[in-house]
Amino acid sequence: ETGVTQSPTHLIKTRGQQVTLRCSSQSGHNTVSWYQQALGQGPQFIFQYYREEENGRGNFPPRFSGLQFPNYSSELNVNALELDDSALYLCASSWGPSRETQYFGPGTRLLVL
Amino acid sequence: AQKVTQAQTEISVVEKEDVTLDCVYETRDTTYYLFWYKQPPSGELVFLIRRNSFDEQNEISGRYSWNFQKSTSSFNFTITASQVVDSAVYFCALSEADGGSNYKLTFGKGTLLTVNP
Repeated sequence: ETGVTQSPTHLIKTRGQQVTLRCSSQSGHNTVSWYQQALGQGPQFIFQYYREEENGRGNFPPRFSGLQFPNYSSELNVNALELDDSALYLCASSWGPSRETQYFGPGTRLLVL
Repeated sequence: AQKVTQAQTEISVVEKEDVTLDCVYETRDTTYYLFWYKQPPSGELVFLIRRNSFDEQNEISGRYSWNFQKSTSSFNFTITASQVVDSAVYFCALSEADGGSNYKLTFGKGTLLTVNP
C-alpha cells in the first residue's frame, strides 16, 4: 500500500449537483495530483497542487476546482455535475512537483445519474 | 504534445509464459520520465518501474524487465514466467514538464493482461 487514502470510495450523485472528494497524501509528500479515469481509458490529468497552490492544470473546465491544506491533504470539487463526469477519480502524491514518482490512492468511483 | 500509445488492447497468456507489453511515446522534450503502472480490478494504480530519458540501460527486477530505446521511442515491459496474480490492466505513462515546474503524467489507454491457469 502507498499510504495515499481517498474518501469516499463510492458516490452517486444526480446531474447538476456538486461533489467534494478528499485525498490524504503519503507521509512526507507535499504534492498532490488529481486524475480522472473514464471506463476503459487511461487516467487524464486534472490538476496538481504544490504547497497549497495550483501548480498546473489539464484540459478541464473551471467547474473542476481544488484545494490543498497545510497538512498537504487535498480536495477535488466538481460543480454542476454532468453525466460524463462519471468516472474513477484518482489522487496521487509525490515528494515535490517535478520528476518524482507519483503514488496513487485507491480512487473514488463517482456515478452521475 | 506528449502522447503514449499502447497498441495492444488485450493479451491473454497461460501461466508461466513470458509476456511483453508494448509502449510507444511522443515528446518534444529531451528530459522526461517513463513509467509502468499496474491497475488490478480494485482500481488502485500500483507503481512498477521508472526510467529517465538519460538512462537507456535495460534492467531486470525479479520477474520484471524493460527495454527502453530512445531511437524508436519505445519503452516495452516484460513479465517473465507470468502468474495469475499478474492479471491486471497495465499502463505506460510519460512525465515531462508542463510548461513550468509541474510534471504531469500522460497515460496510454492500457493493456488488459489475463493470465490463465
